Amino acid sequence: ETGVTQTPRHLVMGMTNKKSLKCEQHLGHNAMYWYKQSAKKPLELMFVYSLEERVENNSVPSRFSPECPNSSHLFLHLHTLQPEDSALYLCASSHVNSGIYTFGSGTRLTVV
Amino acid sequence: DQQVKQNSPSLSVQEGRISILNCDYTNSMFDYFLWYKKYPAEGPTFLISISSIKDKNEDGRFTVFLNKSAKHLSLHIVPSQPGDSAVYFCAATISQGGGADGLTFGKGTHLIIQP
Repeated sequence: ETGVTQTPRHLVMGMTNKKSLKCEQHLGHNAMYWYKQSAKKPLELMFVYSLEERVENNSVPSRFSPECPNSSHLFLHLHTLQPEDSALYLCASSHVNSGIYTFGSGTRLTVV
Repeated sequence: DQQVKQNSPSLSVQEGRISILNCDYTNSMFDYFLWYKKYPAEGPTFLISISSIKDKNEDGRFTVFLNKSAKHLSLHIVPSQPGDSAVYFCAATISQGGGADGLTFGKGTHLIIQP
């Protein structure tokens, strides 16, 4: 158990589908993050939530929509994705003034 | 434009020897650097970090060296063990991680420890 749990572990969706990725942490952290890992690319920061407020958008397409209802839960809502959005989506959490993150195991997303 | 670069996609080292993983960065605002380790089917886990006010930080078999003038850091593992086989990510941030920028990662180096 890493302390950060992501569900589902694997997801296959069509381009017209709507799905959501879920992330949960019970480490007492107050910042949460979504990262995308594509093949042969660095981990790309998508969204940052600090004290439940979104502080970073990073020019992510609007077909990705984050939601942070409380400090323990983070969602990434997906709709009308493209095949190039297929990647590993990683959630992480930390204390707000720490660069030491705890990552989940990720959701392997395939868009067909 | 990559701000954190790991130019070696893979590295093979014999068990018991020293492993040296390198990382370069371009953003002079970075002031805190970290190494993460990732096994297949798992998320990255924090390994060791260093602040820009230091040039070395040691934790057991792991030592990170920072050369600010060269914008270069390295991770030394000695002695290398089979369980060290993993992908190692270099990461950097501004304001000791307290800013809104999150961590900026390199592409990773796949370390293979040969028996």
